[in-house]
Amino acid sequence: AQSVAQPEDQVNVAEGNPLTVKCTYSVSGNPYLFWYVQYPNRGLQFLLKYITGDNLVKGSYGFEAEFNKSQTSFHLKKPSALVSDSALYFCAVRDIPHPDDKIIFGKGTRLHILP
Amino acid sequence: ETGVTQTPRHLVMGMTNKKSLKCEQHLGHNAMYWYKQSAKKPLELMFVYNFKEQTENNSVPSRFSPECPNSSHLFLHLHTLQPEDSALYLCASSQRGGPGTYEQYFGPGTRLTVT
Repeated sequence: AQSVAQPEDQVNVAEGNPLTVKCTYSVSGNPYLFWYVQYPNRGLQFLLKYITGDNLVKGSYGFEAEFNKSQTSFHLKKPSALVSDSALYFCAVRDIPHPDDKIIFGKGTRLHILP
Repeated sequence: ETGVTQTPRHLVMGMTNKKSLKCEQHLGHNAMYWYKQSAKKPLELMFVYNFKEQTENNSVPSRFSPECPNSSHLFLHLHTLQPEDSALYLCASSQRGGPGTYEQYFGPGTRLTVT
């Protein structure tokens, strides 16, 4: 069965410093991987995805994520954090090929960017 | 905005009331989803509709009744709810099947409080 883990409930980073939000996954086949962000009182907003190709994926708002097959990880990164990046971040995975298109979400990591 | 709208944004209802949540997507997608997001719990998939047909029901209590009259509209009918049903209810849509990219696009959610 597919699963995704976000080992950190919260990550604190000083503004201007690089940030990393960790995600590891487990699938039986090849994964589709996604990152979403949720701001207060809002729905989840799609940030980026890995389907195939380059292991480094670039997304919205300067975020990027690196797919590492050997470590089954898909960590979210940004070179220089902004206070406005403070939000709840979700990693998600879909197992392919799989007859069920279900996407499994991690429990979320709250990112605090300190001014 | 993501192209997925939800109404109402906030709802307070008593345990004996009947109410409905509405979701509409303007993205031309063929699948729609209901999720429940409670504090300190992972995102819970409730229902999936694919081409207007329900393809998943994650053991959701019968006091939640979904309806999908067409591929653009999704409803969640609520009756005799319990206080533990208080949560943020999120609607999402995606394009399923073929070489689609499968990311889901979320509405802003309905914050439901059951008194």
